[in-house]
Amino acid sequence: RKEVEQDPGPFNVPEGATVAFNCTYSNSASQSFFWYRQDCRKEPKLLMSVYSSGNEDGRFTAQLNRASQYISLLIRDSKLSDSATYLCVVSASNDMRFGAGTRLTVKP
Amino acid sequence: EPEVTQTPSHQVTQMGQEVILRCVPISNHLYFYWYRQILGQKVEFLVSFYNNEISEKSEIFDDQFSVERPDGSNFTLKIRSTKLEDSAMYFCASNPSWSGGTNTGELFFGEGSRLTVL
Repeated sequence: RKEVEQDPGPFNVPEGATVAFNCTYSNSASQSFFWYRQDCRKEPKLLMSVYSSGNEDGRFTAQLNRASQYISLLIRDSKLSDSATYLCVVSASNDMRFGAGTRLTVKP
Repeated sequence: EPEVTQTPSHQVTQMGQEVILRCVPISNHLYFYWYRQILGQKVEFLVSFYNNEISEKSEIFDDQFSVERPDGSNFTLKIRSTKLEDSAMYFCASNPSWSGGTNTGELFFGEGSRLTVL
């Protein structure tokens, strides 16, 4: 089983749509969880951390279910600028393991 | 705004040659990482470094790889004898802190060094 597994995508959605990404992780000792965003041929950048109680940052909502080892990201009212690859990142110790990413394209 | 800088941005080398990729992490950060990303594939963890020693490494980080922090600023990744399959983007990242086993900060990535092995 892969350490961090994500929806393969790609997701092609119209502007204004709501889209959800899922991620599962295999290491039950994982303690820190993040969503990163990567634009084409660029470095990953932190989108948001994921907290146990769930957290929201503007149009973005992240959820964590430790029992199911599952993380989600919800994007509401998607914008053209949201087009990117979204990376689920999980950390158990002195490393941070990335999922393969889910590609999102938002179309006019 | 402080940033992680990497050099070179692109290096082309012949198979079997040694390559050194350089990184200057953000100055007050304590943890340093190398990741690689083969074109079209996932970001793969190579190694983490803390207090002048490797703290964790992946199965990819075999004997042909080494890391060093020769002075207070540079953090280098050496690939001793490059193979075709080493062609990838190599990202350096730094992290300000950990607390009690939990990563409390984000990874700050450099723009990457693209390595092409011919």
